[in-house]
Amino acid sequence: DTAVSQTPKYLVTQMGNDKSIKCEQNLGHDTMYWYKQDSKKFLKIMFSYNNKELIINETVPNRFSPKSPDKAHLNLHINSLELGDSAVYFCASSPLGGQPQHFGDGTRLSIL
Amino acid sequence: GQNIDQPTEMTATEGAIVQINCTYQTSGFNGLFWYQQHAGEAPTFLSYNVLDGLEEKGRFSSFLSRSKGYSYLLLKELQMKDSASYLCAVIFRGSQGNLIFGKGTKLSVKP
Repeated sequence: DTAVSQTPKYLVTQMGNDKSIKCEQNLGHDTMYWYKQDSKKFLKIMFSYNNKELIINETVPNRFSPKSPDKAHLNLHINSLELGDSAVYFCASSPLGGQPQHFGDGTRLSIL
Repeated sequence: GQNIDQPTEMTATEGAIVQINCTYQTSGFNGLFWYQQHAGEAPTFLSYNVLDGLEEKGRFSSFLSRSKGYSYLLLKELQMKDSASYLCAVIFRGSQGNLIFGKGTKLSVKP
């Protein structure tokens, strides 16, 4: 059984569109994360979220917004996509205040 | 800043031993992790160090010196499947448990 699953695995779209990436974890973890990995393979935290608190990396544009319908899901919505948004986006989860983080397989976003 | 430095690339021979170093800013340090990432795949957890010393787990070991802001990942009896990127990541106090990753070391294992 997949612990952290993301959909879609590949996403190709045009500049200016709005898109969402879904993430679900079945580990019973309390905290979920979104990371961006650029073409140079540098993995950077975008958000972390538990039931009580959203921590936003201040460098993330407000076009990006996480949405959590429940503890097991943290979706990423992106408005007005730009060329620089092309990257691999990883979702992860961990126990509350704990580690290690478990990563999903990533969503490869390409902006045309 | 919270700089985490590790070599960009390393090459080693099958069966050999390789050491991948990581240095970080010591202020506010609260734990260090090593992750392995094969090309096109998710990072997977290898090890966690919070106290000084060596943690051994099979062919992989991780060492930490808090006072020096230094860690290394030691891979023994290298296999071709160990070719991957190795990511050093640090938790700092006040970061709400968020990991700060280094840029990763791409290890190529050759026959």
